[in-house]
Amino acid sequence: NAGVTQTPKFQVLKTGQSMTLQCAQDMNHNSMYWYRQDPGMGLRLIYYSASEGTTDKGEVPNGYNVSRLNKREFSLRLESAAPSQTSVYFCASSGTAFRGYTFGSGTRLTVV
Amino acid sequence: GENVEQHPSTLSVQEGDSAVIKCTYSDSASNYFPWYKQELGKGPQLIIDIRSNVGEKKDQRIAVTLNKTAKHFSLHITETQPEDSAVYFCAAGGSARQLTFGSGTQLTVLP
Repeated sequence: NAGVTQTPKFQVLKTGQSMTLQCAQDMNHNSMYWYRQDPGMGLRLIYYSASEGTTDKGEVPNGYNVSRLNKREFSLRLESAAPSQTSVYFCASSGTAFRGYTFGSGTRLTVV
Repeated sequence: GENVEQHPSTLSVQEGDSAVIKCTYSDSASNYFPWYKQELGKGPQLIIDIRSNVGEKKDQRIAVTLNKTAKHFSLHITETQPEDSAVYFCAAGGSARQLTFGSGTQLTVLP
């Protein structure tokens, strides 16, 4: 039972490059989320998907796009990376009986 | 939207002592308050949660209290052990199934 799987675990990008962070869950959860974690700022919501086929902006969506590919997978895309997007990114999911989130292990992204 | 404030940002206690972390929230519609523990290099893990129809919940050495009137909730860890050292996050959520997180508390348990 893998839970929430994120790839890659580490990535270094140059300013202006693009990349996609992948997330998959095997718990049959309806809702999925992308958060970024920065020192002293906790976890901030970038985008979420309440159910398959829907996505909505969170607190800090600028510079990101998402795709809910199917019920299992929710990807986060940086079209033109900027140093301000250096962060640790967490994917999470939640089930119908909302009891918080199950988090992945994170992707540490550095933009130089 | 919801705003969650968490204090203190760092906390050091002697092994065996108790630790208390406090959070306040702003949205009276929030009705779900989980606490997460994050160890170095890992994602946050749920350790305890409480809903707004309950004032206190306990699970072994961990307890959470909720004061809806004052809009604050607290995490209490008794008989702390070195393995309790981690970053702890509080969060608040409502019907939208989204959580707003506090800024985290680095707990260090000194041997």
